[in-house]
Amino acid sequence: QSALTQPASVSGSPGQSITISCTGTSSDVGGYNYVSWYQHHPGRAPKLIIYDVSSRPSGVSNRFSGSKSGNTASLSISGLQAEDEADYYCSSYASSNTLLFGGGTRLTVL
Amino acid sequence: QVQLVQSGSELKKTGASVKVSCKASGYSFTSYALNWVRLAPGRGLEWMGWIDTSTGNPTYAQAFTGRFVFSSDTSVSTTYLQIGNLKAEDTAVYYCARDHHGAGVDYWGQGTLVTVSS
Repeated sequence: QSALTQPASVSGSPGQSITISCTGTSSDVGGYNYVSWYQHHPGRAPKLIIYDVSSRPSGVSNRFSGSKSGNTASLSISGLQAEDEADYYCSSYASSNTLLFGGGTRLTVL
Repeated sequence: QVQLVQSGSELKKTGASVKVSCKASGYSFTSYALNWVRLAPGRGLEWMGWIDTSTGNPTYAQAFTGRFVFSSDTSVSTTYLQIGNLKAEDTAVYYCARDHHGAGVDYWGQGTLVTVSS
């Protein structure tokens, strides 16, 4: 199984909104509502920010939101802040109890 | 609070083996599976597989069969990743991460850097 496809990088200015896509197939992203997103500041443990496509864990800012259409899931971040600068990864349940990750997207806050 | 604390960085020679530990606290260890995830230089996160902590039964991703072994010890709430016959391409940060209802992961360890050199 191939990794999910994410753009290598996105950027935005403080206060703006950005969207990161995560494209898979009907056997993973499109077949299940089990897409998660993680924020990773290098050197630290990744942090779950979205699960089950659009649910936020307790304590995660509502500036983060998730959605899905067909085989593509999306993470949106509104009101960009400097602290949002990080790597973002998606994951999706695939068949036979396996998990796929995306290649990661580096977010730069200009 | 849920914590996953991993063992420290390792520097190994090619052909050697390494064992990374991940100690869980703050929840019932056998109630959640634990996953292993690799972050290699220039690559994204790669799911290596998971271990059922209640039975000790491991499941490996296709790319991580043969030299990789998951195990767990319920008496100390710890899961282990052992890598045999280390190669330079095994140089990476290895994370343990708690399963989130079989559809992702929620809590992560801090990562263990394994460096393999000749």
